[in-house]
Amino acid sequence: DAKTTQPTSMDCAEGRAANLPCNHSTISGNEYVYWYRQIHSQGPQYIIHGLKNNETNEMASLIITEDRKSSTLILPHATLRDTAVYYCIVRVGYGGSQGNLIFGKGTKLSVKP
Amino acid sequence: GAVVSQHPSWVICKSGTSVKIECRSLDFQATTMFWYRQFPKQSLMLMATSNEGSKATYEQGVEKDKFLINHASLTLSTLTVTSAHPEDSSFYICSARMDYEQYFGPGTRLTVT
Repeated sequence: DAKTTQPTSMDCAEGRAANLPCNHSTISGNEYVYWYRQIHSQGPQYIIHGLKNNETNEMASLIITEDRKSSTLILPHATLRDTAVYYCIVRVGYGGSQGNLIFGKGTKLSVKP
Repeated sequence: GAVVSQHPSWVICKSGTSVKIECRSLDFQATTMFWYRQFPKQSLMLMATSNEGSKATYEQGVEKDKFLINHASLTLSTLTVTSAHPEDSSFYICSARMDYEQYFGPGTRLTVT
């Protein structure tokens, strides 16, 4: 079963920041927070991941709370092409079955003009 | 880098026939490959995990005799849906792991008539 809780859907205006929350209150010390997104009828696309520090890359920023029980994915300037289902996943950072990516229901982000 | 391809991208077959889906890691060698299935408006469900040269490990509820997985090399895994039925119609997505990261293919849409 997925170990995360996300809102079912969110809307965001084009050009504005999209902040997608994720709760992972049972996260273990060796588990990372990963974010993927899936645009309709495509395979999932990796966005970002982190352990406890905030992370930023060319796509997004990841803010993890100090107690690591929740995190927020930030798309700084959302575009229509960012409309997708966003999945927050926790997994260990090594191989084996515990490192498998198990998808929850995700958040359907709709970016509107 | 880290591109995963699938072939075919879509396939229509008649009930009772078998269909094979290929998954290739194009620019890296994958230690482990995964097969997911996604029904409309649902999340990805992990079907099985396979390591090169070993038998696949199937998730609970997935029939191993129906979904045959062959992982003959570090860059190729195949999923054969045997004696397909309309309820097997779905979006099948493969994923390949390199080190600790997973990369996803674009998916194969299977329709069984």
